[in-house]
Amino acid sequence: DTAVSQTPKYLVTQMGNDKSIKCEQNLGHDTMYWYKQDSKKFLKIMFSYNNKELIINETVPNRFSPKSPDKAHLNLHINSLELGDSAVYFCASSPSGKNTIYFGEGSWLTVV
Amino acid sequence: AQSVTQLGSHVSVSEGALVLLRCNYSSSVPPYLFWYVQYPNQGLQLLLKYTTGATLVKGINGFEAEFKKSETSFHLTKPSAHMSDAAEYFCAGNFGNEKLTFGTGTRLTIIP
Repeated sequence: DTAVSQTPKYLVTQMGNDKSIKCEQNLGHDTMYWYKQDSKKFLKIMFSYNNKELIINETVPNRFSPKSPDKAHLNLHINSLELGDSAVYFCASSPSGKNTIYFGEGSWLTVV
Repeated sequence: AQSVTQLGSHVSVSEGALVLLRCNYSSSVPPYLFWYVQYPNQGLQLLLKYTTGATLVKGINGFEAEFKKSETSFHLTKPSAHMSDAAEYFCAGNFGNEKLTFGTGTRLTIIP
């Protein structure tokens, strides 16, 4: 009965590879997000989708491409991985408006 | 521009002592404010939130926070620290733009 679930939880991959992280929410929320937490624990929004439409894109490199097949899913695809992409990526969701954002358990990405 | 500032990246308190984690915000619009907790290698869990109404809000695990508009603050407190409170704590604000802006986090250490 997990509210926001993301897979995989841990991912170790080589530079230059392409990888995807999947996210699903069963809360019926309209809005979904991807946040990045760097090595200093700083959290910053990457993308936000509302009803499958992109509404926030925070100066993220083009190598990162979110895809929302429906409003319950928001996947993150990363091309040509770089060492600096190593981080924890959090998926989240919320009802529209200034409401609480619910986070997934995170995906720990390590690029070697 | 809206921002959230957490004073003190590390706070240590003795078990049984008062916990006080500081958060200030800057915003030209009424904010919604949140405290999240992150245990090691885990996701973000909502502790409490302020939207409108009562300025003293109570959350899980005995934590509470008070919204003070005059001081632009939303400090988190707990009367008596427990060993299980050791974690990273994040203050965040929603300023009406469909995303959360996070502070830089405060690591809470409990001394036995």
